Amino acid sequence: DIVMTQSPDSLAVSLGERATINCKSSQSVLYKSDNMIDLSWYQQKPGQPPQLLIYWASTRESGVPDRFSGSGSGTDFTLTINSLQAEDVAVYYCLQSYTTPLTFGGGTKVEIK
Amino acid sequence: QVQLQESGPGLVKPSGTLSLTCVVSGGSISSNNWWTWVRQSPGRGLEWIGEIHHTGNTNYNPSLKSRVTISLDRPKNHFSLILTSVTAADTALYYCARGMLGVVALSPPVVWGQGTLVTVSS
Repeated sequence: DIVMTQSPDSLAVSLGERATINCKSSQSVLYKSDNMIDLSWYQQKPGQPPQLLIYWASTRESGVPDRFSGSGSGTDFTLTINSLQAEDVAVYYCLQSYTTPLTFGGGTKVEIK
Repeated sequence: QVQLQESGPGLVKPSGTLSLTCVVSGGSISSNNWWTWVRQSPGRGLEWIGEIHHTGNTNYNPSLKSRVTISLDRPKNHFSLILTSVTAADTALYYCARGMLGVVALSPPVVWGQGTLVTVSS
């Protein structure tokens, strides 16, 4: 299985500041035939299912605010939340869909400082 | 807008069979999509169980493959999860989801149900 390792486990950021979450895969998740990166990011608020934020490592899902951005390649990926808002308090997960089984990271909890 | 709703028993006895249904509304289960089951527990985090295509093709998590069946019921517009020989380790919040349009296989879940809690206990 591809192991997805997120860091940090949690972070506290002041309102309006930037939050950066990292995700490392144990092997490349680049799908060579179409040059797509099979890496997604999800946000999960308490009592709710995960919500897709970013797919193909950097493509924002429809309706997701542009303060959310994804980057990275190979095995190292980053989710950045610019100008953190109160409604961004949540747990964030990365997911690889390069090979079976699909595997999620352990999650990063984002709180307000 | 497609919506999904899980249903099924909240309590299953050890060694028994877990059976859940996901009703799809606002869209057809026969559309070109993958339909997915994911579970979440404090001990195992988010775990992908498997997916089924509208054609009936399936992909399963190898760690569960011997115990899992995902199937479609087109007339009822729902899909189902069966997990046999359950243990306490199968206690989790179970989600159904619709995958990303146009993905050939192994689709990231896009639209999720609210989840249903299943406890394995005697």
